[in-house]
Amino acid sequence: LAKTTQPISMDSYEGQEVNITCSHNNIATNDYITWYQQFPSQGPRFIIQGYKTKVTNEVASLFIPADRKSSTLSLPRVSLSDTAVYYCLVGDDNFNKFYFGSGTKLNVKP
Amino acid sequence: NAGVMQNPRHLVRRRGQEARLRCSPMKGHSHVYWYRQLPEEGLKFMVYLQKENIIDESGMPKERFSAEFPKEGPSILRIQQVVRGDSAAYFCASSPRDRFGATRNTEAFFGQGTRLTVV
Repeated sequence: LAKTTQPISMDSYEGQEVNITCSHNNIATNDYITWYQQFPSQGPRFIIQGYKTKVTNEVASLFIPADRKSSTLSLPRVSLSDTAVYYCLVGDDNFNKFYFGSGTKLNVKP
Repeated sequence: NAGVMQNPRHLVRRRGQEARLRCSPMKGHSHVYWYRQLPEEGLKFMVYLQKENIIDESGMPKERFSAEFPKEGPSILRIQQVVRGDSAAYFCASSPRDRFGATRNTEAFFGQGTRLTVV
């Protein structure tokens, strides 16, 4: 079960770009990297997924170096509503094997 | 298309009672996952079910906990003889499939959760 390491918390201000890095040294060849966002009292919500290089969608970008032992979630111009916990998950297509960990608590200040 | 529906949202039980948590997956989804989340902690996998089958229950406590996903109706997570340590948020997630070919997709959709409080 590939585990991940993320910072416990991060602070940012509205309008800034936020980069959250996740370490996954034991990532396997078949593993994908997936990020989820969780607001208080709600279930996690899928943000983005990638395998290598860079992936971008309307919400975020995901940067994955060649060795794939880490990944960085980039949130452009955050707002107060981006205050949430962000989880980095590593696994193949068996979702039940995903390890959520404690996530990174992002606090966006005005 | 309604999302994953869980009920009740909040459940209070006295020690020794039974708790039944329900989860209706998204339309067309045949795979259901249950997770438990303690305060200030991440989600812990409990069980993975397909219709009428338990695929992986490696995260389920051996006693008092059971889960089912019948052919008709919602998935049920059942906790017998609840104790204070069972107090947590229980989340259900569903996905349309668990294995792909070249286009792997591990996205799952979560419900709002059921917050169980044992008094």
